Amino acid sequence: GAVVSQHPSRVICKSGTSVKIECRSLDFQATTMFWYRQFPKQSLMLMATSNEGSKATYEQGVEKDKFLINHASLTLSTLTVTSAHPEDSSFYICSARDVSARTDTQYFGPGTRLTVL
Amino acid sequence: GENVEQHPSTLSVQEGDSAVIKCTYSDSASNYFPWYKQELGKGPQLIIDIRSNVGEKKDQRIAVTLNKTAKHFSLHITETQPEDSAVYFCAASKGYKLSFGAGTTVTVRA
Repeated sequence: GAVVSQHPSRVICKSGTSVKIECRSLDFQATTMFWYRQFPKQSLMLMATSNEGSKATYEQGVEKDKFLINHASLTLSTLTVTSAHPEDSSFYICSARDVSARTDTQYFGPGTRLTVL
Repeated sequence: GENVEQHPSTLSVQEGDSAVIKCTYSDSASNYFPWYKQELGKGPQLIIDIRSNVGEKKDQRIAVTLNKTAKHFSLHITETQPEDSAVYFCAASKGYKLSFGAGTTVTVRA
């Protein structure tokens, strides 16, 4: 149980284009999902917290107009990187909390490797 | 905010030996401490967690200890195997926001 999927697993795009990444909880409902960014050989940095049916909460320094987050259902959150540039190239990982478990446990997806040319 | 420090940054052990990774946290209100294993190109996988009302937890070859007074917690892996080679992250949270350590790259030598 507690499986989180992400799609796509990797994407290469041209500078200036937008890219959408999907995060799904497959066997549980997730009121809250999280989006992280990880640069090579570094730790995970929280970008934003996504709550079902409401606006996302962004961490300091993260541009909300550049990283659009939508959490339309209890099993799906999307991250759209708008007008992507090479510096946005990174490993993007989502996680989800199982609302029924009433714990702080977060389960992570497999990540999406974004490369902007 | 919460600050989590993790040591060592790299750890090389002989197969069959034990590995220990230590983390300290700054916020005494933190009450949940998970450990994640991340293999190259993959997302983090939860391997064990502990809550502030417990001092020790064990799951087969993996154990975690928590010292609330000193604000530190440790991961212990016994009888290490080559498949234990990965990057390990500790984290601390109160509520739901996780603060991660910098990670430890563990290499198990055959």
